[in-house]
Amino acid sequence: KNEVEQSPQNLTAQEGEFITINCSYSVGISALHWLQQHPGGGIVSLFMLSSGKKKHGRLIATINIQEKHSSLHITASHPRDSAVYICAVGDNWDATNKLIFGTGTLLAVQP
Amino acid sequence: GAGVSQSPSNKVTEKGKDVELRCDPISGHTALYWYRQSLGQGLEFLIYFQGNSAPDKSGLPSDRFSAERTGGSVSTLTIQRTQQEDSAVYLCASSFENTGELFFGEGSRLTVL
Repeated sequence: KNEVEQSPQNLTAQEGEFITINCSYSVGISALHWLQQHPGGGIVSLFMLSSGKKKHGRLIATINIQEKHSSLHITASHPRDSAVYICAVGDNWDATNKLIFGTGTLLAVQP
Repeated sequence: GAGVSQSPSNKVTEKGKDVELRCDPISGHTALYWYRQSLGQGLEFLIYFQGNSAPDKSGLPSDRFSAERTGGSVSTLTIQRTQQEDSAVYLCASSFENTGELFFGEGSRLTVL
């Protein structure tokens, strides 16, 4: 069992739909990161959170420390949101960004 | 610089050759990380620098891999006697603090023939 698991692995949505990507982890963490990777492109950090909820534009990230679960939501999805979304956690014993990565969720938003 | 810069962006080499990959982090970022993204393997941690020292090298896959950082800035990842399984995208990231927001470079794609 991977320490960081994401679901779904693949997701196809129609433009405008509300999207949820889930991440569960099994280790104690210092922080959880949501990352975005466009095809052939670099990685962009979307959120870093250790509790509660953060919002940036149409993106919302939540985390439940007790349940060891985080969700990334995209409201009013757009084709430019098509990318791989990666959940990663920092082990709380390290207190660094030595991250453990999930396998990613490939999102395709169709017009 | 404005962002994390990595070079070369693409490198094709023959098995057995040595390669050097360079990372120029964001100015003022004390923490620097190397990760690797292999096809079908996802992302994995390689090594972490705080300043010029590397407190955690636990992710380096073998003794053919080494890295250094000088002047608290530029880092070089060296792979000696490359093997085909070393083919991957090598990503560098930096952060202002150990657990701050990460900024990634575009990566160096290494292909070992």
